[in-house]
Amino acid sequence: AQRVTQPEKLLSVFKGAPVELKCNYSYSGSPELFWYVQYSRQRLQLLLRHISRESIKGFTADLNKGETSFHLKKPFAQEEDSAMYYCAPGNAGGTSYGKLTFGQGTILTVHP
Amino acid sequence: KAGVTQTPRYLIKTRGQQVTLSCSPISGHRSVSWYQQTPGQGLQFLFEYFSETQRNKGNFPGRFSGRQFSNSRSEMNVSTLELGDSALYLCASRPTINTEAFFGQGTRLTVV
Repeated sequence: AQRVTQPEKLLSVFKGAPVELKCNYSYSGSPELFWYVQYSRQRLQLLLRHISRESIKGFTADLNKGETSFHLKKPFAQEEDSAMYYCAPGNAGGTSYGKLTFGQGTILTVHP
Repeated sequence: KAGVTQTPRYLIKTRGQQVTLSCSPISGHRSVSWYQQTPGQGLQFLFEYFSETQRNKGNFPGRFSGRQFSNSRSEMNVSTLELGDSALYLCASRPTINTEAFFGQGTRLTVV
């Protein structure tokens, strides 16, 4: 069965500090990996997907197939990064294409 | 371009009743998926529709059903409501399967 683990429910850092949100997955086949973010009073939105290899708002995520991890990183956190972050592998093909399996989420708080 | 619209935003129902939630995807999007969000279970996949056909289904009882119309609008129905069905129900749309999912604001269902 597909499983996603985000070990930290809460993560607090100070502005300017590096931040890493952890995600480990157990998934059959070759999943496509996503990070979604939900800012206060806003809808859930895509932050980044590993296949595009883009850096969005200073965030990057490296897929480590050996460790089955997809940790989200930012070298210098900003107050506006405070939000709920979800790691979400999705099926990259087959009959379950398009289904996202969400982790429990990590609430990131960046203090001034 | 209008985003994903879910109606109603809030709903209060009594145990044993049934409820229908509606989702209007972004114009041109043919894929609609539904998720249930609760504090205990997090975000869980319900089902996905593409061109009026259900492509994927999550691990929910048969009381949860859905459909998609020719204009891509989707409805989900929950029959014989239970207290545990109280949740935020999110709808997401995509242009095709292999693209980013755009989420609606959700419908908050409370079962009393």
